[in-house]
Amino acid sequence: DQQVKQNSPSLSVQEGRISILNCDYTNSMFDYFLWYKKYPAEGPTFLISISSIKDKNEDGRFTVFLNKSAKHLSLHIVPSQPGDSAVYFCAAYAIHTGTASKLTFGTGTRLQVTL
Amino acid sequence: KAGVTQTPRYLIKTRGQQVTLSCSPISGHRSVSWYQQTPGQGLQFLFEYFSETQRNKGNFPGRFSGRQFSNSRSEMNVSTLELGDSALYLCASSKSDRGYGYTFGSGTRLTVV
Repeated sequence: DQQVKQNSPSLSVQEGRISILNCDYTNSMFDYFLWYKKYPAEGPTFLISISSIKDKNEDGRFTVFLNKSAKHLSLHIVPSQPGDSAVYFCAAYAIHTGTASKLTFGTGTRLQVTL
Repeated sequence: KAGVTQTPRYLIKTRGQQVTLSCSPISGHRSVSWYQQTPGQGLQFLFEYFSETQRNKGNFPGRFSGRQFSNSRSEMNVSTLELGDSALYLCASSKSDRGYGYTFGSGTRLTVV
């Protein structure tokens, strides 16, 4: 049962344009969401997060949008750069359940930024 | 500041064998979690340890086990290896007792032949 889904396995975007990565979740208990970026042969690194009390969080070129009613979040990268080429994982957590929760990841989207 | 260290980086084992992977968390981090990454499956949660106690466990067979030592270092063991166990095994540590502020290691690439 995949509670966090990233339906696009890959995405190709031109340098300078906007990259939009999407993520859907099914568990309404999730109230904290994160995006991780992963390069080959390295572990995932934290990128940006958002709490369910917000609908938008921005950090430089990265913005995460959360639509709770649709159980959908998206990561926008503007402008996209070749160094952004990596696999992006969406992850979700139920903070209010305390230590009983675990960080649940999606299947990842491979972003390729072309010149 | 040293990151999360996983050893070994690469491992080749034969079906039926067992394997032990090691993870040294960032100093001061008491929570350690393990994930399995396979193509198309994303990161699947294996288990989480906090102060030597297993706090959460994922949906993996009993062949997968782990433990955490008093210095927060953790090991995971897979017995009776199957071809499907070939994956990247990632360890993550967190300072918080909440399992989301993770720093990941680079992983151990296990190949079962």
